[in-house]
Amino acid sequence: GAGVSQSPSNKVTEKGKDVELRCDPISGHTALYWYRQSLGQGLEFLIYFQGNSAPDKSGLPSDRFSAERTGGSVSTLTIQRTQQEDSAVYLCASSSSATGREQYFGPGTRLTVT
Amino acid sequence: AQSVTQLGSHVSVSEGALVLLRCNYSSSVPPYLFWYVQYPNQGLQLLLKYTSAATLVKGINGFEAEFKKSETSFHLTKPSAHMSDAAEYFCAVSDLGGAGNMLTFGGGTRLMVKP
Repeated sequence: GAGVSQSPSNKVTEKGKDVELRCDPISGHTALYWYRQSLGQGLEFLIYFQGNSAPDKSGLPSDRFSAERTGGSVSTLTIQRTQQEDSAVYLCASSSSATGREQYFGPGTRLTVT
Repeated sequence: AQSVTQLGSHVSVSEGALVLLRCNYSSSVPPYLFWYVQYPNQGLQLLLKYTSAATLVKGINGFEAEFKKSETSFHLTKPSAHMSDAAEYFCAVSDLGGAGNMLTFGGGTRLMVKP
């Protein structure tokens, strides 16, 4: 079946611009996670959605970062007023109660802020 | 709080040699442990997971890992390296302390396989 998909695969933006990154989880997966992978910080948790519950935003690095999940499926991560330190690969993962704690990852979006 | 330490950011082995990638964790509760592999410009692929059943876990591509509670370790091994094993490997831990089942990752180990 289809895996987790993310778009765009690459995004180059100018400092100060807003960007939106999209994640389409595996159908039926109720949990969705965003992680960031950067050279300096490694892999970091950003935000977690579980069904229709309020998201856990404890990993978001600043208030410039926000995310939403519509209809319990597709998620959008928005970064406002991008900074060069936001350059990273943004990974999305999904899981379900059937998969236990096993998370399935998408290919990521490589964000470059110039 | 939980954390993961991977000893050695780069490991180089010859084709056919034993692969050993080290992972130590800290967790306040019995952990769930994972190894993921990442090939260039791709996402993370699950190699294997430990979820409190058998301590020796077998995964895909001939990899296995052993959970040792006394050593708080979950090292990844493969008896004979293949060129296609060259990739970056991440150890991760998950427990009930974090957001849902969020994963905390180690810093990663890049495996290089020499012909």
